[in-house]
Amino acid sequence: SAVISQKPSRDICQRGTSLTIQCQVDSQVTMMFWYRQQPGQSLTLIATANQGSEATYESGFVIDKFPISRPNLTFSTLTVSNMSPEDSSIYLCSVEQGSRYRNNEQFFGPGTRLTVL
Amino acid sequence: GQSLEQPSEVTAVEGAIVQINCTYQTSGFYGLSWYQQHDGGAPTFLSYNALDGLEETGRFSSFLSRSDSYGYLLLQELQMKDSASYFCAVKLRGNTPLVFGKGTRLSVIA
Repeated sequence: SAVISQKPSRDICQRGTSLTIQCQVDSQVTMMFWYRQQPGQSLTLIATANQGSEATYESGFVIDKFPISRPNLTFSTLTVSNMSPEDSSIYLCSVEQGSRYRNNEQFFGPGTRLTVL
Repeated sequence: GQSLEQPSEVTAVEGAIVQINCTYQTSGFYGLSWYQQHDGGAPTFLSYNALDGLEETGRFSSFLSRSDSYGYLLLQELQMKDSASYFCAVKLRGNTPLVFGKGTRLSVIA
């Protein structure tokens, strides 16, 4: 199974600043996904990051606010720009990896807990 | 669009059995997954059903009825450590990520 690490694990930021979250996977994967989970809520997909192409954003999320990089098959970054308190959330990186036991299982990183003051 | 419905909260007694239901409305349905998430933790995979029927993995089982657009997660011999949020998630055809339900918070009491 894929092992995913995220940096930072948590941060407290001031309004108007930006934070870049890093996601590293221990194996090459085609697609990486970024989710947001607000306190007590479900996971909401922000975007899909493919290596070598622009990220695909879900409705309600735009590239200017959440720019994403995917320089290779094991790494991606998500930037939360011009932050406001409403951006306080857990940000999760996820990858899909099939196996002969579990078809298309999606693995999640440990998450980045962001608090915006 | 896609929608999934599951109960928001369930409480059960240690040692008992609990069933968490999930109904979905989607286009291009491929399979149904279940994830467990403890407070402060990341979601972890529990089960996946692409075909009708029951899949059993230890104390956890998952069921799918494609014709009814319905599935459930069955937890047996409940333990205190099973207290967590449980999410059903739909896998759609193509290279698409999971779409998650709102989650069910399970509280196991003594």
